Amino acid sequence: IVLTQSPGTLSLSPGQTATLSCRASQAVATDYLAWYQQKPGQAPRLLIYGASSRATGIPDRFSGSGSRTDFTLTISRLEPEDFAVYYCQQYGKTILTFGGGTKVEIK
Amino acid sequence: QVQLVESGGGVVQPGRSLRLSCGTSGFTFTSYGVHWVRQPPGKGLEWVGILWYDGNYEYYADSVKGRFTISRDNSKNTVYLQMKSLRVEDTAVYFCARDPEKYFDTSGYFDYWGQGTLVTVSS
Repeated sequence: IVLTQSPGTLSLSPGQTATLSCRASQAVATDYLAWYQQKPGQAPRLLIYGASSRATGIPDRFSGSGSRTDFTLTISRLEPEDFAVYYCQQYGKTILTFGGGTKVEIK
Repeated sequence: QVQLVESGGGVVQPGRSLRLSCGTSGFTFTSYGVHWVRQPPGKGLEWVGILWYDGNYEYYADSVKGRFTISRDNSKNTVYLQMKSLRVEDTAVYFCARDPEKYFDTSGYFDYWGQGTLVTVSS
């Protein structure tokens, strides 16, 4: 399954809302889709799994939605520490795939 | 606390082999799958492969199938990635990452990651 993330870069100010899209080339079984945040020089951090379940310790300003081929990560009230690269990843197939990433940068 | 620590990276010539290690602690190693994921410098993430904790499931990305092999040593709580016939395009930071699911059918995402180890394939 090929995952296409858009936009490639999102320029926003703290306090604004970020809406990130992840589109799959075919339906993701059982909505097995995860989202990760990665900052420079760090490992990715799990934010969302099962399309909409927040991982342990993730603030509620992060929310995931969508199903089948269209998924969205919404970050409300952007905090300075939220500026990073975000990846979606599907696990509906045995061969796992990631999207190309969306960079959320400070405007 | 859960920890994963990769080691074994370095510079290697094309066609040669290298073995990476992922030492783990803070969880029951024999009850969790550990994946390998890689990231070329400045690029996105690519899943490499998985050997499930019970040994019943072993899968690899097409880009590494037949060249890379994952193994586990339960006595050392360690997962290995044996890489053979290395290519320039295998240059990347290699991460190991734990799968939080108990059953393979619902598995495939990663809740804890190591810090990564850099493998550079160059002549």
